[in-house]
Amino acid sequence: GAGVSQTPSNKVTEKGKYVELRCDPISGHTALYWYRQSLGQGPEFLIYFQGTGAADDSGLPNDRFFAVRPEGSVSTLKIQRTERGDSAVYLCASSLQPGVNEQFFGPGTRLTVL
Amino acid sequence: AQTVTQSQPEMSVQEAETVTLSCTYDTSESDYYLFWYKQPPSRQMILVIRQEAYKQQNATENRFSVNFQKAAKSFSLKISDSQLGDAAMYFCAQSGMDSNYQLIWGAGTKLIIKP
Repeated sequence: GAGVSQTPSNKVTEKGKYVELRCDPISGHTALYWYRQSLGQGPEFLIYFQGTGAADDSGLPNDRFFAVRPEGSVSTLKIQRTERGDSAVYLCASSLQPGVNEQFFGPGTRLTVL
Repeated sequence: AQTVTQSQPEMSVQEAETVTLSCTYDTSESDYYLFWYKQPPSRQMILVIRQEAYKQQNATENRFSVNFQKAAKSFSLKISDSQLGDAAMYFCAQSGMDSNYQLIWGAGTKLIIKP
């Protein structure tokens, strides 16, 4: 298990539906970040986990977005009542410790809301 | 607020030539990190080079080097001997302790390599 993995790779859903996006970080990495990248733009921060707790969720756009990391490893980003504006690539990154250690990225999940 | 600005939406360079990508940033922190990431069409972000703000010496990684001007808040990336595999989106990013080391990103520069 070398790198960060994300599933699914692509997700197409209808407006109003609920979706879950999964991130498997590198084993032993305590810090986990979620970012959202809209078409033609740089990523934007959503939420940061240190261990099991969400240390900073200031980037979540509204209360339809929620994320968990119950055992300090796998994280799930949950989006309720999806809207067309939620369409983007959702990137997950992990690092051994926040700060000097590099963030390693997964390949992302492309979410399309019809 | 922290911001990162990349003013070049697209750059092109002849294979084997040198190209410089520009980046400016703004932060109130005294200790921070700067990064250049590469994103090929596969979407996977790959770290190209990293600079700690407290280090005066410019970082280098093989054909990649930076020109870090702290007072001017400028952080440009130089790619020497450009190769076809260098074609990608390049993003400049910044992180600091006050924001839990989240990456603050520029809008990206698309680099085209002409054979």
